[in-house]
Amino acid sequence: AQTVTQSQPEMSVQEAETVTLSCTYDTSENNYYLFWYKQPPSRQMILVIRQEAYKQQNATENRFSVNFQKAAKSFSLKISDSQLGDTAMYFCAFMVTGNQFYFGTGTSLTVIP
Amino acid sequence: DADVTQTPRNRITKTGKRIMLECSQTKGHDRMYWYRQDPGLGLRLIYYSFDVKDINKGEISDGYSVSRQAQAKFSLSLESAIPNQTALYFCATSAHYTDTQYFGPGTRLTVL
Repeated sequence: AQTVTQSQPEMSVQEAETVTLSCTYDTSENNYYLFWYKQPPSRQMILVIRQEAYKQQNATENRFSVNFQKAAKSFSLKISDSQLGDTAMYFCAFMVTGNQFYFGTGTSLTVIP
Repeated sequence: DADVTQTPRNRITKTGKRIMLECSQTKGHDRMYWYRQDPGLGLRLIYYSFDVKDINKGEISDGYSVSRQAQAKFSLSLESAIPNQTALYFCATSAHYTDTQYFGPGTRLTVL
């Protein structure tokens, strides 16, 4: 069975500081993709960053970066220089062959001014 | 214009009513999905379709049905709505040659 675990239901961070959101997953597959999606109060699901499991280099998108540890099945998201607009629910997800996604339960992040 | 649209955006209905949620996309993707989001449970897959003639059940298909009218259109029906189907519903699309899903704006459904 494929599972995704986000153990932090809620987090907060001061504006301009750095925060890390945790995600672990379980799969027997060797080829898969990992994602972080952001859901602001508008409820739109927005892709933040993606990582191919076969790549050792961690993905980076501007202020967002991941720490991908394949052996540990861990995929954390680091947000640097947090901004008020980063306040949202963040979902970790992974996809195995066939395009089926599995989502975690989400982490609600609040950026404090 | 949005690439993935959902109608309606909000709907309140009564127990026992038939409801259809519609999804359209202009991304040219062949694959489409319906998810349900409940607080504390994340997104769960209801149905997915890899092309017009392909329909597959997801994790929580009971009480739901779908129709893929065209490559760009994928509808979700609740034949007889019940209160525990109150949730936020998302449509998503992807292409067979990519690994990313793109989501519509969601439909908030309330069943009284």
